[in-house]
Amino acid sequence: SQQGEEDPQALSIQEGENATMNCSYKTSINNLQWYRQNSGRGLVHLILIRSNEREKHSGRLRVTLDTSKKSSSLLITASRAADTASYFCATKLKTSYDKVIFGPGTSLSVIP
Amino acid sequence: EPEVTQTPSHQVTQMGQEVILRCVPISNHLYFYWYRQILGQKVEFLVSFYNNEISEKSEIFDDQFSVERPDGSNFTLKIRSTKLEDSAMYFCATYWGSFEQYFGPGTRLTVT
Repeated sequence: SQQGEEDPQALSIQEGENATMNCSYKTSINNLQWYRQNSGRGLVHLILIRSNEREKHSGRLRVTLDTSKKSSSLLITASRAADTASYFCATKLKTSYDKVIFGPGTSLSVIP
Repeated sequence: EPEVTQTPSHQVTQMGQEVILRCVPISNHLYFYWYRQILGQKVEFLVSFYNNEISEKSEIFDDQFSVERPDGSNFTLKIRSTKLEDSAMYFCATYWGSFEQYFGPGTRLTVT
């Protein structure tokens, strides 16, 4: 797998349901971030979780990090049509001072 | 909340022309980045810039690309002779040394 690879690639749910997206990575990280991107638009930072954290909440978002499995999950509870977007995980490597590596993203469709 | 701004939002240029994409970082940030996203693909790191010099660059960032801070505030990406495959969204990102990179809204570059 690539550094930062989300699954599923696409997810379609009904409004009100929960959406779970997963991210796996290969090498040790300093932190992992989740971003949202509406079609053709810029990146919106959602949440950052550090390598020494296991879970973090922000509003309807819940992120977990399991460094032993090199994986993270993003849970959006009580989804809304406005949550329709692509979601990317991005990792900051311990070996690289600078760059953030993005996964290919999960395309989420929330049907009203 | 402070934000990164980018201009123009959309640039159309002919193949072989030079383009300059501009970014205004958040004022106390020290580290600057350019990323690009070809339509339908993931976000890719291009280059990082710190203390007025490139600190890291990817294999994509070849001799056709250059970056600078011409006036101490703006951060620019120049593509000397654009190719069709340079068509993409270009994102500027900045941070001051904490964990989170702040992304601008992007410039959509279309090379015809």
